[in-house]
Amino acid sequence: QVQLVESGGGVVQPGRSLRLSCAASGISFSASGMHWVRQAPGKGLEWVALISYDGSNLYYADSVKGRFIISRDNPKNTVYLQMNSLGAEDTAVYFCARDRRLRELDHWGQGTLVTVSS
Amino acid sequence: EIVLTQSPATLSLSPGERATLSCRASQSVSSYLAWYQQKPGQAPRLLIYDVSNRAAGIPARFSGSGSVTDFTLTISSLEPEDFAVYYCQQRSNWPLTFGGGTKVEIK
Repeated sequence: QVQLVESGGGVVQPGRSLRLSCAASGISFSASGMHWVRQAPGKGLEWVALISYDGSNLYYADSVKGRFIISRDNPKNTVYLQMNSLGAEDTAVYFCARDRRLRELDHWGQGTLVTVSS
Repeated sequence: EIVLTQSPATLSLSPGERATLSCRASQSVSSYLAWYQQKPGQAPRLLIYDVSNRAAGIPARFSGSGSVTDFTLTISSLEPEDFAVYYCQQRSNWPLTFGGGTKVEIK
């Protein structure tokens, strides 16, 4: 069965960096685009970034462009989100999700909580 | 950016009743419209894609309809496990965007 497991969340001070990981199993990872989506406490879903199956195409939300970097390691079946210059507005649960046809997100991890606080 | 507006924000219904959720787009999204269900403390789950196609394992009581800018998710007869928050999502244009959500609560 499909499993996406996020890790790397925690409490970080404003202005610092954090790297999230998402380990995938049960899918053809090297053939799958992968997203990061976040959800601030008590709020709705906000799309963050997408990386194509081979890493050649990257897409970012304006709110994170220039600060966050999405990458992947296909032999390790893992996608990453490097988050720099973090601010309070980045506090959220971060989900990774598999892309389907550049249209919908068909499998999701359980999320990892990032809290930006001094 | 395409803005998706969901209404109502909260829908209070009893089990067995019909739920009708609306999603309106600020411009045409063609058929690139999906719906997700999210329960507290859980990840979203894909329900509907391409406006009206049910994802794998989704019960037939869930249906989607609409076109251009106006879309509807209908739950024909609410089961206890259907009380949750529902989000629409478009990928007609980048960035991919979600609606603000509709909470379906027990009356």
